[in-house]
Amino acid sequence: QSALTQPPSASGSPGQSVTISCTGTSSDVGGYNYVSWYQQHPGKAPKLMIYEVSKRPSGVPDRFSGSKSGNTASLTVSGLQAEDEADYYCSSYAGSNDYVFGTGTKVTVL
Amino acid sequence: EVQLVESGGGLVQPGGSLRLSCAASGFSFSTYWMNWVRQAPGKGLVWVSRLKSDGSSTNYVDSVKGRFTISRDNAKNTLYLQMNTLRAEDTAVYYCARGWYGSFDIWGQGTMVTVSP
Repeated sequence: QSALTQPPSASGSPGQSVTISCTGTSSDVGGYNYVSWYQQHPGKAPKLMIYEVSKRPSGVPDRFSGSKSGNTASLTVSGLQAEDEADYYCSSYAGSNDYVFGTGTKVTVL
Repeated sequence: EVQLVESGGGLVQPGGSLRLSCAASGFSFSTYWMNWVRQAPGKGLVWVSRLKSDGSSTNYVDSVKGRFTISRDNAKNTLYLQMNTLRAEDTAVYYCARGWYGSFDIWGQGTMVTVSP
């Protein structure tokens, strides 16, 4: 049950794109298509942005997209906006009915 | 409106106990797996536990096994987390979250648990 690895920070100017990686193992990210991504603003609860690797819940802008290759999943935010500045966490099913989150990435809009 | 509201947090001494509650509304609570997720101050999210819709199956992160118990009352649309033998490292905001397609789609606002002498 080790945390998935994310870069501590990422940044981009308004209108640019930023991609966040989430690296696990074949026992979690690589083994299942149950990778999800969450956005968390300071002092607020997390919000689901992507589920099942690349699906967007209703109401999430299509600027947010997800993908996976092997043991690494990625979240891309295109057309960065000021309100996208937040912490982002990935999560994966890890087998045996367990789940694991990533270490978190702080996205800064320059 | 779909909503989860946690309560029951507070200050407790090491070795003490606390029971958290999560009241659900706006959806068919009895048909969803439910989870607890915690976040220590300034730290990342950690999945803690999950419970099947009918209460028949439970899972826990290793660090709380044998100390925490998740349960639910579907008649009251409420999820619980009984926390015993609390340690300083259990200090965190505790969120309840609805399970949905391998993700957590609805979150409460969280309740703060502080374990300190």
